[in-house]
Amino acid sequence: GEDVEQSLFLSVREGDSSVINCTYTDSSSTYLYWYKQEPGAGLQLLTYIFSNMDMKQDQRLTVLLNKKDKHLSLRIADTQTGDSAIYFCAEKFAGGSYIPTFGRGTSLIVHP
Amino acid sequence: DAGVTQSPTHLIKTRGQQVTLRCSPKSGHDTVSWYQQALGQGPQFIFQYYEEEERQRGNFPDRFSGHQFPNYSSELNVNALLLGDSALYLCASSLNRDGSNYGYTFGSGTRLTVV
Repeated sequence: GEDVEQSLFLSVREGDSSVINCTYTDSSSTYLYWYKQEPGAGLQLLTYIFSNMDMKQDQRLTVLLNKKDKHLSLRIADTQTGDSAIYFCAEKFAGGSYIPTFGRGTSLIVHP
Repeated sequence: DAGVTQSPTHLIKTRGQQVTLRCSPKSGHDTVSWYQQALGQGPQFIFQYYEEEERQRGNFPDRFSGHQFPNYSSELNVNALLLGDSALYLCASSLNRDGSNYGYTFGSGTRLTVV
């Protein structure tokens, strides 16, 4: 079955690092994505990682993939108040469906 | 370059009515997917249109139907509205059905409230 799990809330202080975690169930996933949703807006693709990679870094964002544990994380360095949003993990399968499956999202709150 | 455009942005309908939501994909994209996002939930896949045909469908009843036009724009229709249909409806476009490496580009959504 297809399932993506995320913790619902994360609160950090401005300037600290944030780590948002996600677990998925299907080992045949090909791409894993992180999307950001600000209030009243649609989803913005932040970054993605191929399932044959362990890590990807893009400016303040670092994605780590542990295929053995089916665990994906997004680290945001030097977190700013503008990073406050809901972050969604999504996976896409190699098994014929082209449709990404989303988790429930993690609400990141950044306070001064 | 315009991204994905959805209309209207907000809509209030009465139970039992019908609604049509519209989506124009990002320039260069040929595939449109529709998602329903209930409050506090992640987006749930409704269906995907490619080459003017429904190619994939999620676990939604037949009250949900759609259409894709030759210019790749799309409509989502919902008949016999229920209170539980209240949600943010997101349109996502991509190049090719699998979205290649880049995932989908999402619109800002249509907020539907059923009263």
